[in-house]
Amino acid sequence: AQSVTQLGSHVSVSEGALVLLRCNYSSSVPPYLFWYVQYPNQGLQLLLKYTTGATLVKGINGFEAEFKKSETSFHLTKPSAHMSDAAEYFCAVSLTGGFKTIFGAGTRLFVKA
Amino acid sequence: NAGVTQTPKFRILKIGQSMTLQCAQDMNHNYMYWYRQDPGMGLKLIYYSVGAGITDKGEVPNGYNVSRSTTEDFPLRLELAAPSQTSVYFCAIRTSADTQYFGPGTRLTVL
Repeated sequence: AQSVTQLGSHVSVSEGALVLLRCNYSSSVPPYLFWYVQYPNQGLQLLLKYTTGATLVKGINGFEAEFKKSETSFHLTKPSAHMSDAAEYFCAVSLTGGFKTIFGAGTRLFVKA
Repeated sequence: NAGVTQTPKFRILKIGQSMTLQCAQDMNHNYMYWYRQDPGMGLKLIYYSVGAGITDKGEVPNGYNVSRSTTEDFPLRLELAAPSQTSVYFCAIRTSADTQYFGPGTRLTVL
């Protein structure tokens, strides 16, 4: 069975600091991996995804994530945080050709001035 | 959220009342989903549909029903509202690349 674990329900960084949000997954077959972002009172929006090929994936707003099969991880990073990055971030996994996507519990990112 | 609409945006129900949450898409995708989001719990799948006339249960289907008579619409029905159904409900579609596009959500309170 698939599962997703996000380490840390809350992460706080200073503006300009590195953002690192951690995600580990469990899957019996090669998965598709996603990061979604949710701003207050909105639905989730796709930030980036990994399907096949290059393991370093670049997304919108300067975010990127690296698929590490040996570590079953898909951590999200951004070199320099902006105030506008404050939101909740969800890691998700789906099986190729499957119907369902499994979401992690989410990590709320706070950015301090 | 372009292409996926949800109504209403907010609703307060009394225990035992019923209501239908509406979801519509104009992107002609077969796969549609209903999730509920509770604080600190992420998204839980309630029901999903792989095309008109085909629906199936997700992780937390109890207390809900769905129908899919057309590709565009996927309503979620609460028959006897309970306080445990207080949540934010999201409808989503899935593209062929497994990406999901979400509606803006319906915030439901059951008192």
